[in-house]
Amino acid sequence: DGGITQSPKYLFRKEGQNVTLSCEQNLNHDAMYWYRQDPGQGLRLIYYSQIVNDFQKGDIAEGYSVSREKKESFPLTVTSAQKNPTAFYLCASSHMGVRVRNQPQHFGDGTRLSIL
Amino acid sequence: DQQVKQNSPSLSVQEGRISILNCDYTNSMFDYFLWYKKYPAEGPTFLISISSIKDKNEDGRFTVFLNKSAKHLSLHIVPSQPGDSAVYFCAARGPPGEAGTALIFGKGTTLSVSS
Repeated sequence: DGGITQSPKYLFRKEGQNVTLSCEQNLNHDAMYWYRQDPGQGLRLIYYSQIVNDFQKGDIAEGYSVSREKKESFPLTVTSAQKNPTAFYLCASSHMGVRVRNQPQHFGDGTRLSIL
Repeated sequence: DQQVKQNSPSLSVQEGRISILNCDYTNSMFDYFLWYKKYPAEGPTFLISISSIKDKNEDGRFTVFLNKSAKHLSLHIVPSQPGDSAVYFCAARGPPGEAGTALIFGKGTTLSVSS
């Protein structure tokens, strides 16, 4: 089945520690995204990538880093510089290009990150 | 400043009746709008979308209406079913060149359908 896989589902971080959230897709999508959801809030964009080896900051990129070495993978690292990392993190992907422009983003099932 | 607003945090409806979820936006450059449904601890699931060149799109029990002059869209669910109980997010996307195809989301409306 085609889809987006996020792992782990639950993750705990100690103070001063970096943690990496995995996101893999087999939908052959060019674009991938990371969002953060806090209670009672909508989804806010952290980073996005439209092509391999290229990515752009979203609205709340501070304290996060990403890489896009393969089309299928877009891992997110939550660094110790992120002072309020407790949240639900969602990865998404979509097609790119004029012909497929009006296509929805598809989401994984998320990773919940908590601080120990 | 919120560019996509869902002003009703919650909505309660009886089974079989119509559910109407509302969304307002401020950026007239948005050209594609989507509704997602989300259950707790899961990712959002795409429901229905509409391009800015249309004013209505229908898919089974779900219809989305777009009023560009009012910068307002709504999602109608008819008839509502208990399984529709979830959080519904409205999202919008700007034209090419602005954050790629990334979406801007409202804060969501929690729909509860009672039997």
